[in-house]
Amino acid sequence: GIQVEQSPPDLILQEGANSTLRCNFSDSVNNLQWFHQNPWGQLINLFYIPSGTKQNGRLSATTVATERYSLLYISSSQTTDSGVYFCAVVYYGNNRLAFGKGNQVVVIP
Amino acid sequence: NAGVMQNPRHLVRRRGQEARLRCSPVKGHSHVYWYRQLPEEGLKFMVYLQKENIIDESGMPKERFSAEFPKEGPSILRIQQVVRGDSAAYFCASSPGPHYEQYFGPGTRLTVT
Repeated sequence: GIQVEQSPPDLILQEGANSTLRCNFSDSVNNLQWFHQNPWGQLINLFYIPSGTKQNGRLSATTVATERYSLLYISSSQTTDSGVYFCAVVYYGNNRLAFGKGNQVVVIP
Repeated sequence: NAGVMQNPRHLVRRRGQEARLRCSPVKGHSHVYWYRQLPEEGLKFMVYLQKENIIDESGMPKERFSAEFPKEGPSILRIQQVVRGDSAAYFCASSPGPHYEQYFGPGTRLTVT
């Protein structure tokens, strides 16, 4: 079946540390997005990245579509980076986002 | 530019009542998606609409749930005769077309008592 798998499920970071979150998907995709769900429940768009590499401040993402994975890098983490990070894809032949279960990140001062 | 607007942000209903959730997409976006986040179940697709048309409703429960996106006005997700299991966060997203980036609203948190 259609799967989006994220790892690690839980991550505790010391403020200032770097981390890498991984998203594996099971088929070819039209769309891949990374989101941050903050402690208030809001979904914040981080990247639209069906392929290639993008950077936005301390965050960057890389998707290798041929190998069916995407990575989200957080550098110099801050307490405001805490929350759940979701990867979501739109598979070919589909229009809807299929979400992974998320990476729960806690950054401690 | 205004993003996706949803209202109300919080909604409390008693079992058996109706819930109406509204979503105004980003200006110029004609594609709207509804997703539901149930506790411990993650985010799941419900329905995809284009102006006046339902394109994909494969994620909608068969009974009590309906959605519309009229020519004028916001998209509406309607839940009739709510039950406790309907308590969840309901998110709306919009895009300028299929396979484009989807932008999410702040969500409506429905609590059924």
